Amino acid sequence: DAKTTQPTSMDCAEGRAANLPCNHSTISGNEYVYWYRQIHSQGPQYIIHGLKNNETNEMASLIITEDRKSSTLILPHATLRDTAVYYCIVLAGGTSYGKLTFGQGTILTVHP
Amino acid sequence: DGGITQSPKYLFRKEGQNVTLSCEQNLNHDAMYWYRQDPGQGLRLIYYSQIVNDFQKGDIAEGYSVSREKKESFPLTVTSAQKNPTAFYLCASSWQGLTEAFFGQGTRLTVV
Repeated sequence: DAKTTQPTSMDCAEGRAANLPCNHSTISGNEYVYWYRQIHSQGPQYIIHGLKNNETNEMASLIITEDRKSSTLILPHATLRDTAVYYCIVLAGGTSYGKLTFGQGTILTVHP
Repeated sequence: DGGITQSPKYLFRKEGQNVTLSCEQNLNHDAMYWYRQDPGQGLRLIYYSQIVNDFQKGDIAEGYSVSREKKESFPLTVTSAQKNPTAFYLCASSWQGLTEAFFGQGTRLTVV
């Protein structure tokens, strides 16, 4: 699975959009981009995933560049409860799905 | 309610003792995973299982053992061979294929 690079930390004002970048320059054609978040001392929570097209759900939007080498997770109106560690993961299809591995993630702090 | 349950939430053991952490899911998921998280660090994969009676080593399997005798259960034993067992342990499950993983609330193990 391709390696991902994320900033160590980011800040965002409450009510504003939080844009979390992820670099995955070695991504291959059958690899998906997944985002999870982990609030302190809890288990991670799935947010969204995508392959090529931009995706949106009730939690967030995922924008993937045309060359698929990077992506951005967007929380449109961040709240204090969105303060968490956000993990970007690249996961291949087929038989390697089982090895879900996490990097260091981005610590997002939403402040009043 | 459907979900994934880890017990206990906090566990204390003396050095040199084996200890087994419980993970049960009633989501009918095929795949189950165990992760370890140290303070300020990301999640590291210990073991994962894609089907009953089969499991694979993750990145840090040394000093740990697992079994998968039932689809619903994936217990993790931390053996005395694990040099630094004190950590936060997370269990997860998912359907086969590229679907999101659901995490338990974790077990915080302290070895004294």
